[in-house]
Amino acid sequence: NAGVTQTPKFQVLKTGQSMTLQCAQDMNHNSMYWYRQDPGMGLRLIYYSASEGTTDKGEVPNGYNVSRLNKREFSLRLESAAPSQTSVYFCASSGGARETQYFGPGTRLLVL
Amino acid sequence: GENVEQHPSTLSVQEGDSAVIKCTYSDSASNYFPWYKQELGKRPQLIIDIRSNVGEKKDQRIAVTLNKTAKHFSLHITETQPEDSAVYFCAATRHPGYALNFGKGTSLLVTP
Repeated sequence: NAGVTQTPKFQVLKTGQSMTLQCAQDMNHNSMYWYRQDPGMGLRLIYYSASEGTTDKGEVPNGYNVSRLNKREFSLRLESAAPSQTSVYFCASSGGARETQYFGPGTRLLVL
Repeated sequence: GENVEQHPSTLSVQEGDSAVIKCTYSDSASNYFPWYKQELGKRPQLIIDIRSNVGEKKDQRIAVTLNKTAKHFSLHITETQPEDSAVYFCAATRHPGYALNFGKGTSLLVTP
C-alpha cells in the first residue's frame, strides 16, 4: 500500500517549456487535490477533483490544467512554464470513513 | 471564500515547555479543522483533527480546542521534545473530504 505517489521528485524547466506532474493513489479515494507550497504562503489549492470525471478550480489555477485520468490518477500540466511557477507541488487524496486527506511526497519544480 | 489566519509564524520553546499555536477562520460554515505537521523536506502529515460538534480533543501530548462562536481553534503541545520541531499548519473546511484552506504555517523550534 504505497498511499499517494508523485513523479517526478524534482524537475528543472526553462521558461516556456511544458511538463506534466503525475499523481496516483492506491487507497480507493474519490477526491484528489493539487496544492502548491511557497515559502511563507502555506499550501494553496490549484485544482481538485471530487470524483472521477470531475475537476474544479481552486485558489490559484492560472497557468495550470488537470486531468482525472481514472479514480487512481490525477495529473497536473503546465503548458508554458513561468518562473512564478517555481514551487513545491503536493498531490493529496481523501476518502474512507473519516475522509482524512493524505499527501504525496511532493515535486520540487524550478523554472529558469 | 474561507480565510485562515495562523499565529505565530515562528515559535521557539525549550524542551519540556508547552507550545500553543492559534488559528482563526472566516467562514462560519466550516466544520472540520485538521492540523498538519511538516518536517523539513517531507510531506505534511495529519497529527490531529477536530469537528465542530466537539470543543476539545486530546491525543497524548497534543490537544486541539475549538471555539465556534469566536471562530478560532488552537493546537497545544505539552512536554515538547526536539522531535516536535517542524512547521505546523492549521486548516479549515466545510466538510472532511472537501479541499482544505490552510493557514500560512508556524515554524516551531524546540531547543534542548
